[in-house]
Amino acid sequence: KAGVTQTPRYLIKTRGQQVTLSCSPISGHRSVSWYQQTPGQGLQFLFEYFSETQRNKGNFPGRFSGRQFSNSRSEMNVSTLELGDSALYLCASSFRGASPHSDTDTQYFGPGTRLTVL
Amino acid sequence: QKEVEQNSGPLSVPEGAIASLNCTYSDRGSQSFFWYRQYSGKSPELIMFIYSNGDKEDGRFTAQLNKASQYVSLLIRDSQPSDSATYLCAVKGGTSYGKLTFGQGTILTVHP
Repeated sequence: KAGVTQTPRYLIKTRGQQVTLSCSPISGHRSVSWYQQTPGQGLQFLFEYFSETQRNKGNFPGRFSGRQFSNSRSEMNVSTLELGDSALYLCASSFRGASPHSDTDTQYFGPGTRLTVL
Repeated sequence: QKEVEQNSGPLSVPEGAIASLNCTYSDRGSQSFFWYRQYSGKSPELIMFIYSNGDKEDGRFTAQLNKASQYVSLLIRDSQPSDSATYLCAVKGGTSYGKLTFGQGTILTVHP
């Protein structure tokens, strides 16, 4: 099976702009989670989508949003970019994302999108 | 107190030695525990997951879970230079949809 794919791999934007990142999960996976990774804060959870519904959200401002399509592909959007938004944005897919005692809950990460805000 | 804490690094071991990586978590309701490896400039790669108390072995890797002590560890036997990476401990709560809480990571260097 093909792994999780993310596009684009690199982005350079300026403050105030907005950006859209895309994630295609592993075939058959229905849950997509998004994370932000920075040297200072590490890996932090943004939100999770399952069956086109956001089921969980991390502690990020409303400038960060996402959606999921019927084919399970997901996008995240960041509006009014700030310098502090520079980070590696990772998406991870799992089959269900909910069961606590099954390997269907295991998340597999994509290669990430490196966003630089100037 | 951080939700997930890993032993401070960096950790340096000689080739062939056992590397021991430790992680503690604060949420007693946590159900699933994962170890990921991340090479510099790459994304996290799953090594192992564990749900039940005790040991779980996969090749040179052994994960150990003690829910009473809220402690999970990863042992790497016969460490190789290719094991040099950052190791991330991740914890999932019982009712937390799709959310993994990560530790800050431990940098492991295996020197020849």
